[in-house]
Amino acid sequence: AAGVIQSPRHLIKEKRETATLKCYPIPRHDTVYWYQQGPGQDPQFLISFYEKMQSDKGSIPDRFSAQQFSDYHSELNMSSLELGDSALYFCASSLGRETGELFFGEGSRLTVL
Amino acid sequence: AQKITQTQPGMFVQEKEAVTLDCTYDTSDQSYGLFWYKQPSSGEMIFLIYQGSYDEQNATEGRYSLNFQKARKSANLVISASQLGDSAMYFCAMSDFMNRDDKIIFGKGTRLHILP
Repeated sequence: AAGVIQSPRHLIKEKRETATLKCYPIPRHDTVYWYQQGPGQDPQFLISFYEKMQSDKGSIPDRFSAQQFSDYHSELNMSSLELGDSALYFCASSLGRETGELFFGEGSRLTVL
Repeated sequence: AQKITQTQPGMFVQEKEAVTLDCTYDTSDQSYGLFWYKQPSSGEMIFLIYQGSYDEQNATEGRYSLNFQKARKSANLVISASQLGDSAMYFCAMSDFMNRDDKIIFGKGTRLHILP
């Protein structure tokens, strides 16, 4: 079965550079979530989209932005990267949380040097 | 505000024994969902099991079962006949359904070590 696809899997950037992460949800899933997981930490919610509209916002820095496109894929844009942005970034998708279906991609590991 | 508490930072268990990972939660919502995820050292977040707050029966998925005690607000994960491959970090998580698209929040996790 198709899973959530994230790209790139690994990304190395320098401070003050820009990075873009992509997420392709499971087909028919209408909601996408982005999470950030620092080393040894639990995942922290950044932002979510439902039917291409931003639906909730967590602890996402102003330097970050995201959107969901007409084909339901989503992109997380990160500018003016800082060392503290080094983390594993997860995308997850769901089709109605009541069904219990919330699946994560394999994550994109960002390293900022 | 919602909150998830996992009181066991780490556990060591002998292979083939059963394991119970504790999770308590706090919410004022009547409708919510509880999740368990496994995160091996490779980093991916693997969905294990889900329990809806109105589900009367405890959820089971193969060797995983969720011991749901609503009055005590606990949702412990039970792994039967543990295997070496079960060594990983385990996260308990919850979401409310007041907003269909609301976020999921995670506990701090329990690192499980299975000993041969």
